[in-house]
Amino acid sequence: ETGVTQSPTHLIKTRGQQVTLRCSSQSGHNTVSWYQQALGQGPQFIFQYYREEENGRGNFPPRFSGLQFPNYSSELNVNALELDDSALYLCASSLVGSGSYNEQFFGPGTRLTVL
Amino acid sequence: GDSVTQMEGPVTLSEEAFLTINCTYTATGYPSLFWYVQYPGEGLQLLLKATKADDKGSNKGFEATYRKETTSFHLEKGSVQVSDSAVYFCALSASGGSYIPTFGRGTSLIVHP
Repeated sequence: ETGVTQSPTHLIKTRGQQVTLRCSSQSGHNTVSWYQQALGQGPQFIFQYYREEENGRGNFPPRFSGLQFPNYSSELNVNALELDDSALYLCASSLVGSGSYNEQFFGPGTRLTVL
Repeated sequence: GDSVTQMEGPVTLSEEAFLTINCTYTATGYPSLFWYVQYPGEGLQLLLKATKADDKGSNKGFEATYRKETTSFHLEKGSVQVSDSAVYFCALSASGGSYIPTFGRGTSLIVHP
């Protein structure tokens, strides 16, 4: 069983640029969630996608957007990058509908640095 | 809103010492509670969970008991190893709805030989 993978591992951008981060869900999972983890902080929920539709959103501006594809892989897009966007971005997949508790499986993350 | 408060780290212990990492929460209703572990360079892994009051979650020698009366979910291990060095996150998810956890800030554990 293949786990959650993310690409790239590291990324350096400059302020104002746009970035796309990618996630491949664990086989059989239908839901993907994205989190931002600033240095020394816990992960903050950005949004969740279920069957290609946004299914919940945290307190992040619209310049953070996402996509989920039919094969359940996913992208996180961030426009007009700001210095404070520098963080580890985590993707997590789960199988919704398998029971009352839907464990999330996390990828290793993408470290984004904005200069 | 929901929140999780963890003791600040780093927690530094010698191998075979007893570990406690405190976690308290604020939430309406009856949330589920979790501990995640993040090893260097890796994503988060679920360590243990408890879904109702007085439940005890356990895994790999770690334990935590859901205490509704004190709104706490402290992580304990009787004898830590160097390989337990990592960052530990306490989290909750509200009862009902989709599972979207709220995380604490994390507590770094450093175990020396």
